[in-house]
Amino acid sequence: EVQLAESGGDLVQPGGSLRLSCAASGFTFSDYWMTWVRQSPGKGLEWVANINQDGSTKPYADSVKGRFTISRDNAENSLSLQMNSLRAEDTGLYYCARSGYPGAFEMWGQGTMVTVS
Amino acid sequence: VLTQSPGTLSLSPGERATLSCWVSQPDPNNHLAWYQQKPGQAPRLLIYGASHRAPGIPDRFSGRGSGTDFTLTISRLEPEDFAIYYCQRDGGAFGPGTKVEI
Repeated sequence: EVQLAESGGDLVQPGGSLRLSCAASGFTFSDYWMTWVRQSPGKGLEWVANINQDGSTKPYADSVKGRFTISRDNAENSLSLQMNSLRAEDTGLYYCARSGYPGAFEMWGQGTMVTVS
Repeated sequence: VLTQSPGTLSLSPGERATLSCWVSQPDPNNHLAWYQQKPGQAPRLLIYGASHRAPGIPDRFSGRGSGTDFTLTISRLEPEDFAIYYCQRDGGAFGPGTKVEI
């Protein structure tokens, strides 16, 4: 079955760190751009970061630049998001997703919850 | 910056819905996507490349536009179409969303 499964969400204090993971299965992970998108409770979608197939290109949203790092391990079919210097406004449900089409993400996980408080 | 209008659209099943997305910085590749999100669910890709329906998306959903102005049209609303719709530019920023409610 083709799927993405996020993990690592937790309650963390402001200024703390957290590492999210996304396990991919059922497809050739190394063929795809991947993304992290978050959603604060009751709010809209916010793009966080993308990573290309070999990890050489990693654009970030201004709101997380310098604090978050996206990475991937193609051998392990895994995507990660290292989050440092966390703030209350980083609270939300974090989704990983796959880009099956240029500039669009057609497969999504169910998300992992991060609470900064 | 992406702007969506209206913020909320109140319609009845069977009616036509027209949602707008304005992009401040045009993407020369026209990589504009539309997503549907229902409560408690992950987003679902509807349209990519401004006008291409994703696999499995009913043909009552259509997208058009280029440059800075884009439109998502739902020709006849079905009960399951009442949701929030987001546009996204080139795999990056999202618009604030349009809620389509009964």
